Amino acid sequence: KNQVEQSPQSLIILEGKNCTLQCNYTVSPFSNLRWYKQDTGRGPVSLTIMTFSENTKSNGRYTATLDADTKQSSLHITASQLSDSASYICVVSEGSNDYKLSFGAGTTVTVRA
Amino acid sequence: DAGVTQSPTHLIKTRGQQVTLRCSPKSGHDTVSWYQQALGQGPQFIFQYYEEEERQRGNFPDRFSGHQFPNYSSELNVNALLLGDSALYLCASSWTGAETQYFGPGTRLLVL
Repeated sequence: KNQVEQSPQSLIILEGKNCTLQCNYTVSPFSNLRWYKQDTGRGPVSLTIMTFSENTKSNGRYTATLDADTKQSSLHITASQLSDSASYICVVSEGSNDYKLSFGAGTTVTVRA
Repeated sequence: DAGVTQSPTHLIKTRGQQVTLRCSPKSGHDTVSWYQQALGQGPQFIFQYYEEEERQRGNFPDRFSGHQFPNYSSELNVNALLLGDSALYLCASSWTGAETQYFGPGTRLLVL
């Protein structure tokens, strides 16, 4: 069973609107949580990294939140643009093994004009 | 800085064949990780190389092997290819102790 679950699987939003993606994880012990953006046919690009002591981090129009107690994270996209169309992947790092990363299946976001 | 580069970009093989994929890490990075990403799925960790040795391995059979060279570049070898090996193979590099991995564009492998 995957230790990182993302929802929704996909969503369509209109340009200029906001959206929120969810990530629930069971990885333990937890080291850090990352959100990546992956354009079709490209490698993932890091958006944010949060340790257990951080509960929010922003990167431009992207804001990630983390609740380490409930093991939930969200990625909020503000004022979406057509270029935001991509897959957004939640990645959780286990304990002290930073190379032991668990990836979610991703949420595919489609922004329409 | 060219970032992480991978070759080839696309590859078509038949069942039973062997394949070698190549990765050059971002300048200054000494650690290379390999991932398999099936269509519509998140990447799955294959293994990581540091100082020319395999440091950690995911749940992949021995048909998957790798190598890291003194210049930190790396190869992923897959023997006895199966149809299920068709996927995007991603290489990611990092500097030991750094949190961020930088991914390459991937090699798309199709096994017929």
